[in-house]
Amino acid sequence: NAGVTQTPKFRILKIGQSMTLQCAQDMNHNYMYWYRQDPGMGLKLIYYSVGAGITDKGEVPNGYNVSRSTTEDFPLRLELAAPSQTSVYFCASRPQGKSPQAFFGQGTRLTVV
Amino acid sequence: TQLLEQSPQFLSIQEGENLTVYCNSSSVFSSLQWYRQEPGEGPVLLVTVVTGGEVKKLKRLTFQFGDARKDSSLHITAAQTGDTGLYLCAGAETAGSARQLTFGSGTQLTVLP
Repeated sequence: NAGVTQTPKFRILKIGQSMTLQCAQDMNHNYMYWYRQDPGMGLKLIYYSVGAGITDKGEVPNGYNVSRSTTEDFPLRLELAAPSQTSVYFCASRPQGKSPQAFFGQGTRLTVV
Repeated sequence: TQLLEQSPQFLSIQEGENLTVYCNSSSVFSSLQWYRQEPGEGPVLLVTVVTGGEVKKLKRLTFQFGDARKDSSLHITAAQTGDTGLYLCAGAETAGSARQLTFGSGTQLTVLP
């Protein structure tokens, strides 16, 4: 079982460059999330989606964009990368319901220089 | 966005000691989850609590959900070095649909031999 797969695992970007972080899940989960985690800290929600074609902003959406064309995929786009976007990015998914478990990918460590 | 505050932020103890980690909010949650995260990995679910006043035990770990469903605690008895990690609480925003999953700031636990 693949679960939640994130690519790439590591990336270094120059200021002003753009990139897309990929996230795919094979569990047919409706809900998907993108979080960022700074060193030693908790997770901050960037964007989330409750199904294909539906996305919504989380706590820290500025500088990011998402799309959800299929149930499986939820890519995160960084336009004009800035040093403040240096972080570890986690994608997660979970089924719809009151208290289901969230499954996480292994993360993408992004450095903007 | 509903905020979850965890305390303490850092905790370093000797093997065999007991400890309690707290997760507090001014908002009511339909359910609350505790995750543990190891370096380089995504968070992994430990437990979900859904009923006010609920207590759940997982070997040496005891989880409690506050009567008003605004706070929770994690108590570890006789800590072991394998308990070292980042402990995160997470609250589901709304009963039923539970769209947003908000994470606390985390408690970094280090258990020394």
